[in-house]
Amino acid sequence: GDSVTQMEGPVTLSEEAFLTINCTYTATGYPSLFWYVQYPGEGLQLLLKATKADDKGSNKGFEATYRKETTSFHLEKGSVQVSDSAVYFCALSDAPADNDMRFGAGTRLTVKP
Amino acid sequence: DAGVIQSPRHEVTEMGQEVTLRCKPISGHNSLFWYRQTMMRGLELLIYFNNNVPIDDSGMPEDRFSAKMPNASFSTLKIQPSEPRDSAVYFCASSSNVGTGELFFGEGSRLTVL
Repeated sequence: GDSVTQMEGPVTLSEEAFLTINCTYTATGYPSLFWYVQYPGEGLQLLLKATKADDKGSNKGFEATYRKETTSFHLEKGSVQVSDSAVYFCALSDAPADNDMRFGAGTRLTVKP
Repeated sequence: DAGVIQSPRHEVTEMGQEVTLRCKPISGHNSLFWYRQTMMRGLELLIYFNNNVPIDDSGMPEDRFSAKMPNASFSTLKIQPSEPRDSAVYFCASSSNVGTGELFFGEGSRLTVL
């Protein structure tokens, strides 16, 4: 079945460092791809998404490009801030054919001042 | 616009007691999901409903867990009897059948079973 594999971490960076969190997927169809973020004590919230190959999702300085040839959706940010410390989840969905969102294991990011 | 609303936010109970967690999805959303999150196992899908009908309950750990969705605006997850290993954060999420399946999560119910 469809699945997502992401770099598990944890990842610790200094403020203003470059961030990459790797995510690859396996799917039989043409899923939509997502990055969710979970701040301490909160639920997951959508960070960005891409619905087809070569689409780039972006939000709050984060970017990820849907790469069909490498089945990847890596999350990047050029300069992280302390406030970016959170757990990041890669996910895919075959909606509306299948509403079951598949999540990766999550990557904990800690940014130090 | 109100998001997904869960209650209670925190519950502490003793082993053997019944626990009921509640969820109100976003109005107009057709799908509702219950997840469990622990340090050891991460985020696990327990069950999801589409148009109030359970579609996939393969993630429900055992018969002690049950979930209902009597109408489009309310769902419950019940654990009876509860055990210490059920301690976790339980999230409810909802989505619309139209679109890319983006999930909207509640803030979670943190359950501690002593």
